[in-house]
Amino acid sequence: EVQLVESGGGLVQPGGSLRLSCAASGFTFSSNWMSWVRQAPGKGPEWVANIEQHGSEKYYVDSVKGRFTISRDNAKNSLYLQMNSLRAEDTAVYYCARGSGSSWFDPWGQGTLVTVSS
Amino acid sequence: QSVLTQPPSVSAAPGQKVTISCSGSSSNIGNNYVSWYQQLPGTAPKLLIYENNKRPSGIPDRFSGSKSGTSATLGITGLQTGDEADYYCGTWDNSLSAVFGGGTKLTVL
Repeated sequence: EVQLVESGGGLVQPGGSLRLSCAASGFTFSSNWMSWVRQAPGKGPEWVANIEQHGSEKYYVDSVKGRFTISRDNAKNSLYLQMNSLRAEDTAVYYCARGSGSSWFDPWGQGTLVTVSS
Repeated sequence: QSVLTQPPSVSAAPGQKVTISCSGSSSNIGNNYVSWYQQLPGTAPKLLIYENNKRPSGIPDRFSGSKSGTSATLGITGLQTGDEADYYCGTWDNSLSAVFGGGTKLTVL
């Protein structure tokens, strides 16, 4: 079974940092683009970043450029999102998803909640 | 404000058919594949349609997708109460970003 499990979310103060992780299983992780997608409370999904199979290509939504870094460890079948200089507007459930978004995101993990508040 | 435009809500009776539209531009839908996602309350989005009109294994043929120019449409026939959910379209934009619609809430009356 293809599965993605996120971890690392929590409550953080504005300006703080957090590192999200996503453990993948049930498919060849190293052969797939991977993405982070977030969803603020009551809002639709917003793509955050993606990374190609070997980590050499990465793309970000403008609102997180310079603050967030996506990375992966194919030996550990894991995807990461380092989030720095967090803002209140970054509060959302963060999902890990297989795919780049050019054709699909499938599947999505169960999500991890990030709350930025003082 | 979302890059792709969807109606906020649609409704229909059980057994009926409903369509959900998704409007974009030449920089996104016009030149890229469209995918559709279903989000049941309290769960993660689930892929329903990819590459405009293809269904992943396990998705019933009651769900269909089409694309014409800069717009796409999701169709659902034989509506069931279990289809009540939020539906989102998504695609790639030539600005090198993935984009989504604002979502459509389906109510099965």
